[in-house]
Parts: sequence; structure tokens; C-alpha cells
Amino acid sequence: AQRVTQPEKLLSVFKGAPVELKCNYSYSGSPELFWYVQYSRQRLQLLLRHISRESIKGFTADLNKGETSFHLKKPFAQEEDSAMYYCALSGSRDDKIIFGKGTRLHILP
Amino acid sequence: DGGITQSPKYLFRKEGQNVTLSCEQNLNHDAMYWYRQDPGQGLRLIYYSQIVNDFQKGDIAEGYSVSREKKESFPLTVTSAQKNPTAFYLCASSSGLAQETQYFGPGTRLLVL
Repeated sequence: AQRVTQPEKLLSVFKGAPVELKCNYSYSGSPELFWYVQYSRQRLQLLLRHISRESIKGFTADLNKGETSFHLKKPFAQEEDSAMYYCALSGSRDDKIIFGKGTRLHILP
Repeated sequence: DGGITQSPKYLFRKEGQNVTLSCEQNLNHDAMYWYRQDPGQGLRLIYYSQIVNDFQKGDIAEGYSVSREKKESFPLTVTSAQKNPTAFYLCASSSGLAQETQYFGPGTRLLVL
């Protein structure tokens, strides 16, 4: 079954420290992985996706097929990074997306 | 921002009442989706539609109904059969091709009186 697991409900990190939001998935084929972000009082939006291989707002994510992970990383946290982050998966034939339960990132001053 | 609108921003439901949440998009997207967002539960798919006049149940469709008479519109009705309707409801759309990005509306918060 398709499943996305985000083990941390809340992650608190000091400003300037590295950030890593964990995401593990279960899927038998070739999935596309996404990170969506929801800032306070803003709508949910795409942060980045695996196929683009971009760095957005200093964040990167590498797909590790051996470990079935797609962790989100940033070397130096900024206060504006505080938000709710969702990891998501879409199967090779699906336009549906399966979301994880989300991790709230709180950047401490 | 823009492209997908949801109304109203807040909606109050009385016992036994059906209420309808509006979702409109001008992105020319074929696919549209309704999610329910609860604290600690993430986003759960209620219904989705890949094309006009067609829709499928998601993971938590019981107590909800939808229609897709126009490409731009995908209204969600929360029926009296939904016993725990208090939640934040998100509408999204995508081009409909596999593995494409979804674009979200601002959401509607439904509260029960």
C-alpha cells in the first residue's frame, strides 16, 4: 500500500542551525515525491519536488530509493522557515497524491 | 496565489443540515480534489474528479457528496450523515496528468453549532 510517514509532529530548531525534516515512503513502483509547505495564514503550496532537483528557499531533498526516504534539508534555518511541512507521494499512473501527516517546524530565535 | 477560490471562508452548520462548500478554478485544470485537514491527521482525500461529469471517492467519502458539471467548479456538500464535520476543507486542482503538482485554494473552516 502507498504510505507516507513523517515521524516528527513538531521540530524545534534554533535560527542558524541545520534543519532536517524526515519523510519515509512505501510504494512499489516509481513514485514522484513532493514537499508542500503551509505558512501561517497562507495557502498550502508546493515547496519542491524530486523531479525538478531544485533548491527552493535554501531547501533541498534527495530521493533515496534504497532507504525509501525523501528528507528535506536546509543548512541554516531562518525564522521565516517556521511553517507546516507535508511530504507527499504520487504513483506513476496517478494524479492523486498521498500526504503524510505533516511536521510543524518551529524556528527558535 | 489566485487561480483557485473557495467560499465561504467560514461556514456554520446546524444539526441535521446539509451545507455546500464552493470551489472554483480558472487554471483550465482537468482534475480537482477535496481534502479534509485535521490537526495531527494531515490531509485526507474526500473526493476527486479527473474530468467533467466524473468523480471518484477518496479515503473518507462517507457523509459527503460532490458534483462536477463544469470544468471550473467542484462543489462539496457536507451532509447530515457526516457526524464529525468540524474541520478545515481544502480544494485543489491539477492538470490531471500523472504526478503533477496540485494547486490549493485558501480553505473553508466548517464549524458545527
